[in-house]
Amino acid sequence: EVQLVESGGGLVKPGGSLRLSCVASGFSFSHDTLTWVRQTPGRGLEWVSSISSSGSHTYYADSLKGRLTISRDNAKNSLYLQMNSLRAEDTAVYYCGRFATGLDAFDIWGQGTMVTVSS
Amino acid sequence: QSVVTQPPSASGTPGQSVTISCAGSRSNIGSNTVNWYQQFPGTAPKLLIYTMNQRPSGVPDRFSGSKSGTSASLAISGLQSEDEADYYCAAWDDSLNGYVFGTGTRVSVL
Repeated sequence: EVQLVESGGGLVKPGGSLRLSCVASGFSFSHDTLTWVRQTPGRGLEWVSSISSSGSHTYYADSLKGRLTISRDNAKNSLYLQMNSLRAEDTAVYYCGRFATGLDAFDIWGQGTMVTVSS
Repeated sequence: QSVVTQPPSASGTPGQSVTISCAGSRSNIGSNTVNWYQQFPGTAPKLLIYTMNQRPSGVPDRFSGSKSGTSASLAISGLQSEDEADYYCAAWDDSLNGYVFGTGTRVSVL
């Protein structure tokens, strides 16, 4: 079965750090660009970061640059998002997704992991 | 705040047609392919339309997409109750060097 499964979310205090993980199965993980997208409660979708298949190219939303690091371990079929200096406005559901080059779109999504930043 | 704007809501009765607009700019919709995603409450988004008007396997042909200049549209014909969901357009933005989602439209079936 083709799927992405996120983990690592939880409650963290402002200024704290969190590392999200996303494990893939059922497709050629190492061939694909992967992405993190977040959705704040009751709000819309926001692209967060993307990483190329080899990990050599990374992209970040301007508003989040400097506080995030996206990485991947192709041997473990895993994607990561290290988030530092967290703020209340980072509270959201974080989804990992596959960007299918042939479709030029995100075609596989995880179920999401909730991050809550609160004192 | 997203640089791509959609109406917050749209509605219709079963069997009617509904069209959702998506207004962007030259750096996103005007220069790149547009995708549409469908999302039900509490679930992850699902790819609905890619490369302007292509449907992944399993998506009914009641859904269709189009683009003109810096705007795009999603049309749902023969509206059904199971179409009640949030719909987002999206495209790469060359100026932001990132992906942008529209503000989202909630479709209600009356």
